[in-house]
Order: sequence, then C-alpha cells, then structure tokens
Amino acid sequence: SQTIHQWPATLVQPVGSPLSLECTVEGTSNPNLYWYRQAAGRGLQLLFYSVGIGQISSEVPQNLSASRPQDRQFILSSKKLLLSDSGFYLCAWSVLRDRGEAFFGQGTRLTVV
Amino acid sequence: AQSVSQHNHHVILSEAASLELGCNYSYGGTVNLFWYVQYPGQHLQLLLKYFSGDPLVKGIKGFEAEFIKSKFSFNLRKPSVQWSDTAEYFCAVNARGNKLVFGAGTILRVKS
Repeated sequence: SQTIHQWPATLVQPVGSPLSLECTVEGTSNPNLYWYRQAAGRGLQLLFYSVGIGQISSEVPQNLSASRPQDRQFILSSKKLLLSDSGFYLCAWSVLRDRGEAFFGQGTRLTVV
Repeated sequence: AQSVSQHNHHVILSEAASLELGCNYSYGGTVNLFWYVQYPGQHLQLLLKYFSGDPLVKGIKGFEAEFIKSKFSFNLRKPSVQWSDTAEYFCAVNARGNKLVFGAGTILRVKS
C-alpha cells in the first residue's frame, strides 16, 4: 500500500536560517506531488506541485522553493526564513488514474522566531 | 486559473439540523471534485468525490454532494448532523488531473 512520510513534525527556526522539509512517498511510481500551507481561515494554499522529476510549478511568489530530485521525493526549502513563513505545511501525492484524489502527510508545524 | 469558493467560513448547528455547505469553482473544462474533512487533531481525509456520471454522490458518514455543472457548484449536504461532525470541511477541484486546488474551508460546530 502507498504511504507518505513527511518530516519533521514540528520545527522551530530562527529568522534568517535555512529550511529543508522532506516528503517521500512509497508504494507508487510517478506520483504528482504537492506542497500546501494551511492557515486558519485561508484553507490549503497550494505552494508548489510537480508532475515529474525536476518539474516544479510554483503557485505563489514567496520566499520558498521546491525541488524533486527523485521520483518519490519532494523537498521544500528556503535560504533565509522570514517570520511570515511560520505555518503548517502539508505534503500530498496523487496519481492520474485516481483523477487527482490526494493523500496527505502528517504535516510540519514550522515556527520562525 | 482554477479557484474554489466556499461561502461560509463558520457554521454552527444544533444536533439533528440539516447541513448544506456551498462550494463554487471557476474552471470551464472537465473537473474532478472532492470534499475533504479534517476532524480536530486529525489528518485531512476524503469525504466524497465526483468524477463523472450521477451528479449526486454519496460519501462516508451520511454525507452527499450534488454537482450542478451549470452553476459550477458542488454543495455538500447531510440531512441530520451529529456532534461528531464537528470539523473543518474543504472543497477541492482538480482540472486535467494535475493541480488540486482547495477552498478556504468551512468550520462546522455542532452543538449537542
């Protein structure tokens, strides 16, 4: 069966420090991968999605970037965190045969101090 | 570009009341439609989905949703809510099978 791993679950980072959040999927190949940020009252904001290795679409201009170095690995990064980057980040995957139904990781609560 | 609008951000109901949560999307082509639910302290989980066929779809826990193509709507309904339905509900749209876009969510509180 397919599983998704996202880590860490919580992270406290100082302003100006770098960020790397990792997400891996098991049990499927060539998934679509997504990074979302969930904020109260704003739902799930799509940040990045990827349909294949090295293919990244950015939805919202911001201080973050994403990379997909392997088929089932999706990384969210920042060179210098801002206070406004604090939030709850979710990784998700889907496959075309499921017509876009997404499956979510446990999420990462990021606090920038 | 795809977008999803959920009409109510907070809904408060008494147990046994009927529920309808509105969802409208903007995309002119073929879409796949979803409702997700997030119970307090839990992960997002799929409530129901529409791909094609009968526009009235039934999901888990007595929920159903109706796709009305002419209105670009996919409203969620339940005839009689329970206290355990207290959660946040998200409508989502996927066009062309690649990008899944969510609405802002509706927080439902059911009073016992």
